[in-house]
Amino acid sequence: DAGVTQSPTHLIKTRGQHVTLRCSPISGHKSVSWYQQVLGQGPQFIFQYYEKEERGRGNFPDRFSARQFPNYSSELNVNALLLGDSALYLCASSSTLAGRFGEQFFGPGTRLTVL
Amino acid sequence: EDKVVQSPLSLVVHEGDTVTLNCSYEVTNFRSLLWYKQEKKAPTFLFMLTSSGIEKKSGRLSSILDKKELFSILNITATQTGDSAVYLCAVYGNQGGKLIFGQGTELSVKP
Repeated sequence: DAGVTQSPTHLIKTRGQHVTLRCSPISGHKSVSWYQQVLGQGPQFIFQYYEKEERGRGNFPDRFSARQFPNYSSELNVNALLLGDSALYLCASSSTLAGRFGEQFFGPGTRLTVL
Repeated sequence: EDKVVQSPLSLVVHEGDTVTLNCSYEVTNFRSLLWYKQEKKAPTFLFMLTSSGIEKKSGRLSSILDKKELFSILNITATQTGDSAVYLCAVYGNQGGKLIFGQGTELSVKP
């Protein structure tokens, strides 16, 4: 079975641009969460979507938005990119809203570099 | 504010050594603690410990949760170069799908 997939794997943008990152969860999983991991730090929670509705939001500015589609795949959008947005963006899926006591499975991530 | 703190931040050992990684937490409505291994990109799941304080073992890896003292340890015995990675501790506090991660411990195992 395929795991969590993300695209693209790498992305280079300039300040002020917009970016869209994509994620497909494990088959049968209905929840997708997004995390930002800056070099040398642990992942930071951005959003969770379950059954196409936002169920949680981390401490990120409104430049960050996301959505989930009927097939449970998800997009993360970031507007007006800043240098500080350079990071590894991780997508994680779980079978239910909370998984099995929070258990989530991560994709390989998208490495975003903002110049 | 909920937080997870790991120590040490980095560690260099030689093959065959035993290592202990630490994770302390302060999280509202604690439900579980998870350990992940991150080699290149995707964190891969190692253990999940619930509030019952269960010790988990998988080959050379084991982990204990002390919910009274609010910490967990991850032990790796007979380390191998393939154990070189960042080890992440995360806590789930019954806030939807939000995992709260520590900074990670970077383990380097030298031949």
